[in-house]
Amino acid sequence: DAGVIQSPRHEVTEMGQEVTLRCKPISGHNSLFWYRQTMMRGLELLIYFNNNVPIDDSGMPEDRFSAKMPNASFSTLKIQPSEPRDSAVYFCASSLGGNKGVGETQYFGPGTRLLVL
Amino acid sequence: KQEVTQIPAALSVPEGENLVLNCSFTDSAIYNLQWFRQDPGKGLTSLLLIQSSQREQTSGRLNASLDKSSGRSTLYIAASQPGDSATYLCAVRGSNTGKLIFGQGTTLQVKP
Repeated sequence: DAGVIQSPRHEVTEMGQEVTLRCKPISGHNSLFWYRQTMMRGLELLIYFNNNVPIDDSGMPEDRFSAKMPNASFSTLKIQPSEPRDSAVYFCASSLGGNKGVGETQYFGPGTRLLVL
Repeated sequence: KQEVTQIPAALSVPEGENLVLNCSFTDSAIYNLQWFRQDPGKGLTSLLLIQSSQREQTSGRLNASLDKSSGRSTLYIAASQPGDSATYLCAVRGSNTGKLIFGQGTTLQVKP
């Protein structure tokens, strides 16, 4: 298996532009997570989906952020408009088993490094 | 609100030493605890996952323990090697949620 795939790996954009991050989870996994990592705040969960349905979006910073999962093999995280404080590494992770279950290891993608100028 | 703390923030040891990384959490009502490794500029790699009903898990030179009542977990690395140099993160998951709460990590350097 190729693991969790994220694109782009690096993104540099100007303040005010729209940014779209993409994620393909491991085939067969039914939970997908979006995290953000910064030096100041560490790793934080933004939102997660179970069976393509958003379960917890309490970590989404504000209305400028939105996430979708139109099918089991694809998810997007969109920032519109982007701001310099959104600069971070954004990780996508997937797992099998959903909210309950045994052995729900989360597998992380390589991340997208976003720099907003 | 669950908070996860890792001590120390950084650690430097000579090759071959056995070492212990610490993780503490404020709410003992967890579903499981997971240890990850992160290499510079890379994603996270899962090392060990301990369910709340378990006391420890082992994988090769790694052993993770969990004391839920005291809100503590340790990651023991035996016979450390330079290739073990990385940041180690612990994360806890509460009941009825898939959300992981992460500690800030311990950055380990193993010197040849």
